[in-house]
Amino acid sequence: GQNIDQPTEMTATEGAIVQINCTYQTSGFNGLFWYQQHAGEAPTFLSYNVLDGLEEKGRFSSFLSRSKGYSYLLLKELQMKDSASYLCAVKSNYQLIWGAGTKLIIKP
Amino acid sequence: KAGVTQTPRYLIKTRGQQVTLSCSPISGHRSVSWYQQTPGQGLQFLFEYFSETQRNKGNFPGRFSGRQFSNSRSEMNVSTLELGDSALYLCASSFTGGSTEAFFGQGTRLTVV
Repeated sequence: GQNIDQPTEMTATEGAIVQINCTYQTSGFNGLFWYQQHAGEAPTFLSYNVLDGLEEKGRFSSFLSRSKGYSYLLLKELQMKDSASYLCAVKSNYQLIWGAGTKLIIKP
Repeated sequence: KAGVTQTPRYLIKTRGQQVTLSCSPISGHRSVSWYQQTPGQGLQFLFEYFSETQRNKGNFPGRFSGRQFSNSRSEMNVSTLELGDSALYLCASSFTGGSTEAFFGQGTRLTVV
């Protein structure tokens, strides 16, 4: 079967760094997405990885290891507005398979 | 340019009824995907339409159906509603689907009572 695992919830402190992990087992792999979803809002695109390695975009970075079926999203210099759910999705055979999302709580 | 528009935003239906949800993608986008989001299950893929054809389908019963029109607008229909169908239904559009970035609408919150 196809499966994507993320922690359900994480807590971090404002100004700190947090790493959200995502492991996947899918029948095919054509790329991995990270999306951010604030409560009551639509998910918005953060990053896309198709090759192994680290992609950096401002305070956010995303890492992929295809051999390990593993990705992480790294958020630096956390701000209160980063409190949201972070969704990992794998493109497999032209279909996006989604994780249940990680709710990130930022404390002052 | 205008984003993805879903209507209605909120809907309350009773068990056994049917419902139709609408999604207007970003102009020029030909791929429209539908998802069901519930607190425990996360985002579950329903189906994807591309150029008026269903290209992919998730593991939902036949009560869930959809279609896409020539202007790329899409509708999703759920018949014989069950309490478990209560969820946020999200539509996402992209230029060609697949590896390109998807843009989501605000969703339709369906409550079945």
